[in-house]
Amino acid sequence: SQQGEEDPQALSIQEGENATMNCSYKTSINNLQWYRQNSGRGLVHLILIRSNEREKHSGRLRVTLDTSKKSSSLLITASRAADTASYFCATETPSGSRLTFGEGTQLTVNP
Amino acid sequence: GAGVSQTPSNKVTEKGKYVELRCDPISGHTALYWYRQSLGQGPEFLIYFQGTGAADDSGLPNDRFFAVRPEGSVSTLKIQRTERGDSAVYLCASSLKGINSPLHFGNGTRLTVT
Repeated sequence: SQQGEEDPQALSIQEGENATMNCSYKTSINNLQWYRQNSGRGLVHLILIRSNEREKHSGRLRVTLDTSKKSSSLLITASRAADTASYFCATETPSGSRLTFGEGTQLTVNP
Repeated sequence: GAGVSQTPSNKVTEKGKYVELRCDPISGHTALYWYRQSLGQGPEFLIYFQGTGAADDSGLPNDRFFAVRPEGSVSTLKIQRTERGDSAVYLCASSLKGINSPLHFGNGTRLTVT
């Protein structure tokens, strides 16, 4: 079963707008990671946030983590058409033996 | 530098046949993972290697699936007596040390069982 659940399942916005995707999970984690996948390609790592961190930035990406609510959000600011992709959150358990992915959010940025 | 390479990129096989899928990880990465992804779904964990040994194979769906990594580098996922339900994209990923390390994915092998 999937540990993470992304919300919404699909998001369509205009270029220049911000996009926010949420992820909820069920068990204790070591870290939470966000990945992006373009159609027909492998996943690309975006950002890793550890369980003792609350916020992290990377370029136009901002990730927050609330371990008390077992949730995370990914914010993409000033979106571009090239940001169109599926975005997945993934959680690593304290044992570190696996990374468990959610079902993903399909983001469409319209030019 | 070279990323994770998976071969073949596409494989069509008949029900009941045996298939092997190959993964060449990034040089120096000790951790290697196999995932399976169906259309519109997230990747489903199959197995995780740390070096030559399978550290966690609890995601393998049944005993028709087996994976090896004999020298701690290249890995092969083997599927016996393939079934139509095995059709999916099989993704391989490697990471520098496993824990707290991002995964680097290959582009996957699309397996179609007819």
